[in-house]
Amino acid sequence: GAVVSQHPSWVICKSGTSVKIECRSLDFQATTMFWYRQFPKQSLMLMATSNEGSKATYEQGVEKDKFLINHASLTLSTLTVTSAHPEDSSFYICSASPRGTSGIPRVSFGPGTRLTVT
Amino acid sequence: AQKVTQAQTEISVVEKEDVTLDCVYETRDTTYYLFWYKQPPSGELVFLIRRNSFDEQNEISGRYSWNFQKSTSSFNFTITASQVVDSAVYFCAALNYGQNFVFGPGTRLSVLP
Repeated sequence: GAVVSQHPSWVICKSGTSVKIECRSLDFQATTMFWYRQFPKQSLMLMATSNEGSKATYEQGVEKDKFLINHASLTLSTLTVTSAHPEDSSFYICSASPRGTSGIPRVSFGPGTRLTVT
Repeated sequence: AQKVTQAQTEISVVEKEDVTLDCVYETRDTTYYLFWYKQPPSGELVFLIRRNSFDEQNEISGRYSWNFQKSTSSFNFTITASQVVDSAVYFCAALNYGQNFVFGPGTRLSVLP
């Protein structure tokens, strides 16, 4: 249980275009999902917290107008990288917890999306 | 805010050697959770272990063992008789109340045949 999927698993796009990445909780509902970014040979850094039905919360230094997050349902959050540039090339991973989780946390990660901007 | 430090950036060992990956954490919370994840070249995070702040018992799972010591704020990970398949990046992480993770910088382990 508690499976999270991401689509696509990898994407190549041209500079200036936009790309959408989906994060889905397959067998549970999640009011909150998290988006992380991992540059090559670096650690994972939290980008933003995606809240179902409300605006996302962005970490310091992350441009909210560039990384649009939509969490329209309890099983889907999308991250759109607008006007992508080569420096946006990275590995993007989402995570989610079942709604109403209490006690021992059950956090699942998606398999990640590798974005390459040419 | 929580912080996780992994002092070893890269480690190379020869197969069958034992290796310990260090992790030191900082937190003001009295209740917290610590994790270890393995990240193979595919990128997908593989969950290894979760520990909560109230359970300092060491744990062994096959060739893996973990030593959690609150007195030194450490949560070290040992692989016994390492194998080539253990080669990966290993992350130590702390979980915030908000359910988001703070990751350490990672340790790249190379196990040579």
